[in-house]
Amino acid sequence: GENVEQHPSTLSVQEGDSAVIKCTYSDSASNYFPWYKQELGKRPQLIIDIRSNVGEKKDQRIAVTLNKTAKHFSLHITETQPEDSAVYFCAAKGGGNKLTFGTGTQLKVEL
Amino acid sequence: SAVISQKPSRDICQRGTSLTIQCQVDSQVTMMFWYRQQPGQSLTLIATANQGSEATYESGFVIDKFPISRPNLTFSTLTVSNMSPEDSSIYLCSVRGRMNTEAFFGQGTRLTVV
Repeated sequence: GENVEQHPSTLSVQEGDSAVIKCTYSDSASNYFPWYKQELGKRPQLIIDIRSNVGEKKDQRIAVTLNKTAKHFSLHITETQPEDSAVYFCAAKGGGNKLTFGTGTQLKVEL
Repeated sequence: SAVISQKPSRDICQRGTSLTIQCQVDSQVTMMFWYRQQPGQSLTLIATANQGSEATYESGFVIDKFPISRPNLTFSTLTVSNMSPEDSSIYLCSVRGRMNTEAFFGQGTRLTVV
């Protein structure tokens, strides 16, 4: 089955800096890669996603890149703000309906 | 996006008892998914629930421990049976969006077994 690895597990940045979180996946049939933000005590919320026919997608301060050959995808957050502090999960959806999640990254944006 | 109502939001239960978690969606969906999120951990899929058929369980999860009902296209329940402290976790239901890709989650049920 699909295996998704995520790094780093924790990330601390200064407000205004950029943050990058990386994930790798194992199943070459995976075709959909979402990113979720989970604030403490709340449900995961989709923040951006990318499909396998696209190499990059951007939404304001957030962007995701996908390298199908290398089987890795990354989340980029620019001009970080304190409200960006949360746990971020990557995920991959293969040929079936199963969504496999990465292990999560605790992002802390310091003033 | 789908609106998902999940209840209870939290509960403290005695070991050996069972708890049933309910999940209600504001639109008809083919599949509903149940996840477990242990403290500080990622989301692990327990099972996929289809209306009119038995749920499909992931490796490490069995029907006797986590029976699931799916009586119609907008509702599902997950029961955590014969609970032990190791079952203390957050349980989340989830549905997919229109393109069967993006996942939407209920607010979760925080279960503590004492």
